Amino acid sequence: QITLKESAPTLVKPTQTLTLTCTFSGFSLTTTGVGVGWIRQPPGKALEWLALIYWDDNKFYSPSLKSRLTITKDTSKNQVVVTMTNMDPADTGTYYCAHRPSPYLCFDFWGQGTLVTVSS
Amino acid sequence: QSALTQPASVSGSPGQSITISCTGTSSDVGGYNYVSWYQQHPGKAPKLMIYDVYKRPSGVSNRFAGSKSGNTASLTISGLRSEDEADYYCSSYTSSSNTYYVFGTGTKVTVL
Repeated sequence: QITLKESAPTLVKPTQTLTLTCTFSGFSLTTTGVGVGWIRQPPGKALEWLALIYWDDNKFYSPSLKSRLTITKDTSKNQVVVTMTNMDPADTGTYYCAHRPSPYLCFDFWGQGTLVTVSS
Repeated sequence: QSALTQPASVSGSPGQSITISCTGTSSDVGGYNYVSWYQQHPGKAPKLMIYDVYKRPSGVSNRFAGSKSGNTASLTISGLRSEDEADYYCSSYTSSSNTYYVFGTGTKVTVL
């Protein structure tokens, strides 16, 4: 059974760096073709894809946020971490991590999401 | 990175069929068979309903069907039920603008 869970501070100040951690079970990020992605959703708005990391450490970023994002994995801890620098109130929203199955380009299992508010 | 275009809302009566469109370009929807659809109820995480344009994950009702023509993908829900009332998002792999993946603008489905 695949599960994912996001963790992050609920409140960050503008200009600070946000660290999001996805802890998962039921699969390994060493399995060929598998990936973990991050998606966010501002309150009342649409989903926005942020980043994706693959089993082979190949990484992809949303071009609009690429300069602010870094995605890494720790296979020994079954975790994927994303850092987002220079946080702004417009970054307020629910952040999800999700499992990308091999060989399909979709997200079949999602975490419950974590709400991050950016405010001074 | 431009989002795929969906209608803001679609509605139908119980038992009817509705179709949600998802319009992209030849760099995403039109160029690859990597279109997915997600259902999201309020306060919940999205749920995968369709992948690879028309394939259904195990456990998803066959009332949900995906298709594609040119740069536009579609999700058809037949035999509409009250529990189908939710937001729906399409998504696709994209080869444009040094990006990789893109979601649609989202469609609110209302069961009248």
